[in-house]
Amino acid sequence: ILNVEQSPQSLHVQEGDSTNFTCSFPSSNFYALHWYRWETAKSPEALFVMTLNGDEKKKGRISATLNTKEGYSYLYIKGSQPEDSATYLCGGHSGSARQLTFGSGTQLTVLP
Amino acid sequence: EAQVTQNPRYLITVTGKKLTVTCSQNMNHEYMSWYRQDPGLGLRQIYYSMNVEVTDKGDVPEGYKVSRKEKRNFPLILESPSPNQTSLYFCASSFTSSGEQYFGPGTRLTVT
Repeated sequence: ILNVEQSPQSLHVQEGDSTNFTCSFPSSNFYALHWYRWETAKSPEALFVMTLNGDEKKKGRISATLNTKEGYSYLYIKGSQPEDSATYLCGGHSGSARQLTFGSGTQLTVLP
Repeated sequence: EAQVTQNPRYLITVTGKKLTVTCSQNMNHEYMSWYRQDPGLGLRQIYYSMNVEVTDKGDVPEGYKVSRKEKRNFPLILESPSPNQTSLYFCASSFTSSGEQYFGPGTRLTVT
């Protein structure tokens, strides 16, 4: 089982603040890393899938970076808005890329 | 509309009564998987399928069965449900095993 860890577990920020969270994973045998956004009472939705060391991806105010050599990925949200409130899940593949293992998520609350 | 559907959305049942949760996708995806979500534990993969007739265990397969007789369908079977299988279940699909996952709406199962 791939060990994927996310921190912090939860986060409260004020509207307009920028924030970031961390996903860490074993650097050996890495294959791909996923980020998902999961709003309450909805289904998780994909944000990014990254495979290459140094990858940087962006979608609106949200961006992510990947460091496969040291085994971490950062998710950044610039100018947080209340609608960004959600749980952000990170998941990883190793080796054969068949199995996807998720971390326990970072729950973000953006206060107006 | 491209989607993953699950039925039922909510189910309350009793210990030992066999049940099936259906999952269907209309995107011609090869990879399908089942996850359960429990508080504080994130999403844990139960089973996955690389293609028709190809299924394999995820991180928490005990007490579950799956089948993949057609590309679009991937039912989850609980032969003898127990209270520790009370959870929120998600089906997901993707073009490839490492591609972004499209999640169904979820099935909330309670076993008494």
